[in-house]
Formats: sequence, structure tokens, C-alpha cells
Amino acid sequence: GEDVEQSLFLSVREGDSSVINCTYTDSSSTYLYWYKQEPGAGLQLLTYIFSNMDMKQDQRLTVLLNKKDKHLSLRIADTQTGDSAIYFCAERKSGGSYIPTFGRGTSLIVHP
Amino acid sequence: DAGVTQSPTHLIKTRGQQVTLRCSPISGHKSVSWYQQVLGQGPQFIFQYYEKEERGRGNFPDRFSARQFPNYSSELNVNALLLGDSALYLCASSLEAGQGGPGDNEQFFGPGTRLTVL
Repeated sequence: GEDVEQSLFLSVREGDSSVINCTYTDSSSTYLYWYKQEPGAGLQLLTYIFSNMDMKQDQRLTVLLNKKDKHLSLRIADTQTGDSAIYFCAERKSGGSYIPTFGRGTSLIVHP
Repeated sequence: DAGVTQSPTHLIKTRGQQVTLRCSPISGHKSVSWYQQVLGQGPQFIFQYYEKEERGRGNFPDRFSARQFPNYSSELNVNALLLGDSALYLCASSLEAGQGGPGDNEQFFGPGTRLTVL
């Protein structure tokens, strides 16, 4: 199976909160990442969380990590139409490299 | 400051041909990584280079090769193209390749090269 799993689609109304969920398999992962990909563009790192943390907040973004269940979530408060994009969860495997292993991405659609 | 640049933007090839994709990293970045993103999937790691040396390789056949030049730019070559090689090829640069912390290793992605193999 996939190392990192995400639901494929999420649709929300503008102004609501969005929650994108992800599960990963490597319990020794040290960093977990959230990337955003807009149409025709490369990936943009939104935020990352170290595995000994359980929460990280950065403006409208809140990352929650449940290490026991290997579950990661990204909450976007006051979602705007400009937040419409594909969001990728990724894990850094144990070892020296910081190469992320990506999930398939969640397509977030924000409608007025 | 310019971000990561890639050329060409789009490319159409036929099966069996060879292709070379190019990447220029952010100024000051010494590491370049290549990823393949098939439609509907997340990026898959192909190679990482640092100071002209290969530092990591993903699970791709030997038809895929890369190199990094003294100015830290990089080329990805794919020989004997197959239909399944059709994808968005992403290049990412970072300051380091394993040394330091996550900030030193943050990958900045270019817009990609869309390769279509007919």
C-alpha cells in the first residue's frame, strides 16, 4: 500500500474551515510536511512539524499530529477561494536525507 | 530573486526517443533534486545531487540519468522513452542535502516540465 494516504477530494464553502487528513506508515519519520500545488505551478512548502510535537500553528494554518495513530491533519481557517489547490502530505523517512515521500494529494475546492 | 527555473515548459516526444530536461536552482543553493509527477499522483523522487555528486536515487530504471554542473544547474536525461514516462517533471533546489536542519534542506520547487510521450 501507499506510504502516505490522503482522501482525494474536499469541498468547502468560502469562510468555513477546511480539514485535510493524512495517514503515514513510518513510525520513525522525523518530519511531516504539507505542500500546496496550484494549477500549472510547482509545489510550495506550507509548513512542517517535527515528530515530537503534536501541534503547530501558523496564521490560518494549524497542523495536528497524532503520532500514536500516525495521523496528520491540516486545518485552514476562514478558507478562501484562493486556497483552492491540491494539498500534499509528505513524510521525511528516517536517515540523513530530507527527501519527502508524498501522498497522492487532496484536491480542495472552495466555492462561494 | 529568481526562483527555480526549468526548461522547456512543455515537450512532446515519441516512444523510443531521448529527452533532456534542464533546471537552474535558486542562487546559492547547492543541491538539486528531480521528481516525476504522474497525473493524479504525488511527486516521486528520482535523484538528488549535491556539489555535482549523486546523493540519492529513487526507484527508477537506468534509462533515467542526471548530472549537476559546476554552476549547480542540472540536467535530467531519459532514454528510450515509454508512454508511461509522460508526466510533470519537477526540479527542486535546497541549500544542503542532509546537513543542517529542515530549514537548510527545505526544497523549493520549480514549475516543472510537462513531458508527453506519444
